[in-house]
Amino acid sequence: DIQVTQSPASLSASVGDRVTITCRTSQSITKYLNWFQQKPGKVPELLIYEASNLQSGVPSRFSGSGSGTDFTLTISSLQPEDFATYYCLQSYSTLWTFGQGTKVEIK
Amino acid sequence: QVLLVQSGAEVKKPGASVRVSCKASGYTFTSYALHWVRQAPGQRLEWMGWINGGNGNTKHSEKFQGRVTITRDKSASAAYMELSSLRSEDTAVYYCVRVVNSVMDVWGQGTTVTVSS
Repeated sequence: DIQVTQSPASLSASVGDRVTITCRTSQSITKYLNWFQQKPGKVPELLIYEASNLQSGVPSRFSGSGSGTDFTLTISSLQPEDFATYYCLQSYSTLWTFGQGTKVEIK
Repeated sequence: QVLLVQSGAEVKKPGASVRVSCKASGYTFTSYALHWVRQAPGQRLEWMGWINGGNGNTKHSEKFQGRVTITRDKSASAAYMELSSLRSEDTAVYYCVRVVNSVMDVWGQGTTVTVSS
């Protein structure tokens, strides 16, 4: 299976901060990396697909970049509703893998 | 409107099996795959496997080798995930998810499975 290493596991940030979360895969997955946001008790929501494509309806402060094995989710100016847990997911191989998750908390 | 509606919560004893259903509507069932994802309390999302809605081919994570069976009924536009030899660590919310072009775009509401003696 392709391993996915997501970091950091958690971070504290203030409203307005720029936040960056990274995912690294054990082998190249070209562009097949997705990002999800999950709030407590809720179903995950797709933010970014194919590394850098913003899902319809998602605010433009979210962006994704990267290819091959290294990927980044950036929130350009953190808003109160963005405090949540974020997961990456590789969808390159026939067996998919989620990252460990990053909990974004209020500083 | 694309919807995935899952079966209700289950409570099972260790060693038993559970079958979770996922009924699709609002799209052509045979055109897309359905994946299964679970999340134990306070834990990360965990990918389990998937089924091709058209030909019924399946793949699943090696972690569940021999314990998970994913099937589908085209006539009912439904997919099923059966997990056997349940243990306490299988207590989780189980989700079915539609995938279009390698993108998880629609999720079911989740089914809580509790394994307890």
